[in-house]
Amino acid sequence: GIQVEQSPPDLILQEGANSTLRCNFSDSVNNLQWFHQNPWGQLINLFYIPSGTKQNGRLSATTVATERYSLLYISSSQTTDSGVYFCAVEAYTGNQFYFGTGTSLTVIP
Amino acid sequence: NAGVTQTPKFRILKIGQSMTLQCAQDMNHNYMYWYRQDPGMGLKLIYYSVGAGITDKGEVPNGYNVSRSTTEDFPLRLELAAPSQTSVYFCASSGRARNTEAFFGQGTRLTVV
Repeated sequence: GIQVEQSPPDLILQEGANSTLRCNFSDSVNNLQWFHQNPWGQLINLFYIPSGTKQNGRLSATTVATERYSLLYISSSQTTDSGVYFCAVEAYTGNQFYFGTGTSLTVIP
Repeated sequence: NAGVTQTPKFRILKIGQSMTLQCAQDMNHNYMYWYRQDPGMGLKLIYYSVGAGITDKGEVPNGYNVSRSTTEDFPLRLELAAPSQTSVYFCASSGRARNTEAFFGQGTRLTVV
C-alpha cells in the first residue's frame, strides 16, 4: 500500500507562534485530507485537499500532488490547537484510505 | 444530520467473548471504513466497503468480520476477543463516488481483559 510519512513527529510551540506540518506520500493520490485529533480523541476534519491551496481562518493547507506532498500551516497558534494532526490519502489504484503516523502538537501558554 | 454514529462508546470484554460494534451513517454514502487506533499510533484500516453487499479487507483484518446489508449500516464483529484487540475503533464514511471527503464517528474504546 501507499506510504504516508509526516514530520515532525512532535512539536512544542509557544502560544502565538506559527508552524508548518508536512505530509509526504509515496504514490499518486486522488484524495488527501488533514484531520485534527483533539485530546478527547475526536477526529475533526480540517481540509479535503487532493490538490491546490485552501484556507480556513488561522489554518491553511497546500497539496502539490505532482511532488507528492502536502503542508498544513498553523498561524498564531492557540492552546486549543494542541492534539495530533493526521494526514490521510487515498491512492488512485485502490479504495483504501491510509493514515500517516501523525504530528503531536503541544501549544503552551 | 447525525453524520456517522458509533455505538457503544465504551466497552470492556473478557478474553474469548464476542461483540459487535455498530456504525450507521445518514449521508447516503457508498464508502464505509473501519479503523483501529492503538495508543500513540495512527489509524490502521481493518475492513472497508464500497457499497451494500461488498466488503474487502484492509491492513489488519485478522480477528474481525464485517457485513454490509444496507447502505446505512456497517457493523464490525469481534469473535473470540483477545487483549491485542484493545484499541479505539473508528468508523468512517465517504460519498457516493471515490475522491470525496471522509467523515468519522466518535470512536468506540474497547478494552479486552
